[in-house]
Amino acid sequence: DAGVTQSPTHLIKTRGQQVTLRCSPKSGHDTVSWYQQALGQGPQFIFQYYEEEERQRGNFPDRFSGHQFPNYSSELNVNALLLGDSALYLCASRRGGDTQYFGPGTRLTVL
Amino acid sequence: QKEVEQDPGPLSVPEGAIVSLNCTYSNSAFQYFMWYRQYSRKGPELLMYTYSSGNKEDGRFTAQVDKSSKYISLFIRDSQPSDSATYLCASGSRLTFGEGTQLTVNP
Repeated sequence: DAGVTQSPTHLIKTRGQQVTLRCSPKSGHDTVSWYQQALGQGPQFIFQYYEEEERQRGNFPDRFSGHQFPNYSSELNVNALLLGDSALYLCASRRGGDTQYFGPGTRLTVL
Repeated sequence: QKEVEQDPGPLSVPEGAIVSLNCTYSNSAFQYFMWYRQYSRKGPELLMYTYSSGNKEDGRFTAQVDKSSKYISLFIRDSQPSDSATYLCASGSRLTFGEGTQLTVNP
């Protein structure tokens, strides 16, 4: 049983560019959440998707947006990249109220 | 005040030691508490999950929750070098994390 998968593994962008990160949830999971983890910090909640709609959102600007597809996979888009957006971006999935399982993350570097 | 606070360490112990990792939380609405282990450059891996005050044991790991004092702990018995990682406590439906404690177990 494949767990949560994310692509790409690493990404390098320059300030002002836009980026799209992708996530496939664990089989049977219908809820996907995205987190940002800066170096040396715990993950911070960005938003959660369920039934193709954003259900909850953390304290992140509108530059961060997302999408969930009918097969439950999800994308995270970040526009107008800033140096401070450099981080490990984690996708987590769950089924209903069960606990969340994390993917390996995408490491984004903004130069 | 952060909703979940955790001493970032680092913590260094000899192999075989008992390790105690601790967090405090401020949100009384938190009902579920998780401990995740994160190896360097990897995603967090769920280690323990509890929803009530008291102890929960799983092999060498024991999770303890005291809701009256809003204090959660993870104990690792007979620690191994392979336990060297960052340990994250978390709670809430959308997971509010502590800062993480970096643990090194020396052979």
